[in-house]
Amino acid sequence: DTGVSQDPRHKITKRGQNVTFRCDPISEHNRLYWYRQTLGQGPEFLTYFQNEAQLEKSRLLSDRFSAERPKGSFSTLEIQRTEQGDSAMYLCASSLGEGDREQYFGPGTRLTVT
Amino acid sequence: DAKTTQPPSMDCAEGRAANLPCNHSTISGNEYVYWYRQIHSQGPQYIIHGLKNNETNEMASLIITEDRKSSTLILPHATLRDTAVYYCIVRPYNAGNMLTFGGGTRLMVKP
Repeated sequence: DTGVSQDPRHKITKRGQNVTFRCDPISEHNRLYWYRQTLGQGPEFLTYFQNEAQLEKSRLLSDRFSAERPKGSFSTLEIQRTEQGDSAMYLCASSLGEGDREQYFGPGTRLTVT
Repeated sequence: DAKTTQPPSMDCAEGRAANLPCNHSTISGNEYVYWYRQIHSQGPQYIIHGLKNNETNEMASLIITEDRKSSTLILPHATLRDTAVYYCIVRPYNAGNMLTFGGGTRLMVKP
């Protein structure tokens, strides 16, 4: 069990640029989640996948955000035309399917938009 | 999901028990109480969960009141490495979807 990994760990970008983050879940975990966390706040849910199907999206996930999990393994989260308000920690988590009791979180990708 | 209320911060002496309270007065009958913690610069980590009975694992104990309106997470012998933000979350088991984090309690374990 190598845990959930995220890449990159840090990203600095200029306003208006596009960025893409990658998450590799624990193998055989069929559920994958994305959260966003701003300074001093708890994580906020963005979206989740069951295998390759995106089952739920938060209203926080504006049209500039898109997430994919093409083969039911790794996932990508893309933010287009970044804004300063997008600066946050983006966390990925994975879990087994039905009957799971816990979500395993990765270390996060810290995005800074200048 | 039901809302939870936690004190924003607490201190604990190293080696002593840390008792972290959580109020969840609007919890539904099918909702479990989960605890996660987040050490600085890391992702959240699952600690324990329960429905109505007290639970214990290698990390902590969870005490849920009989009316299920509140609970206490107990770290029996706190160490400096237990310094973290602790989140109390209520959600249906097998919900399979999002966790709703509140502000949590920032626990500072002091030598």
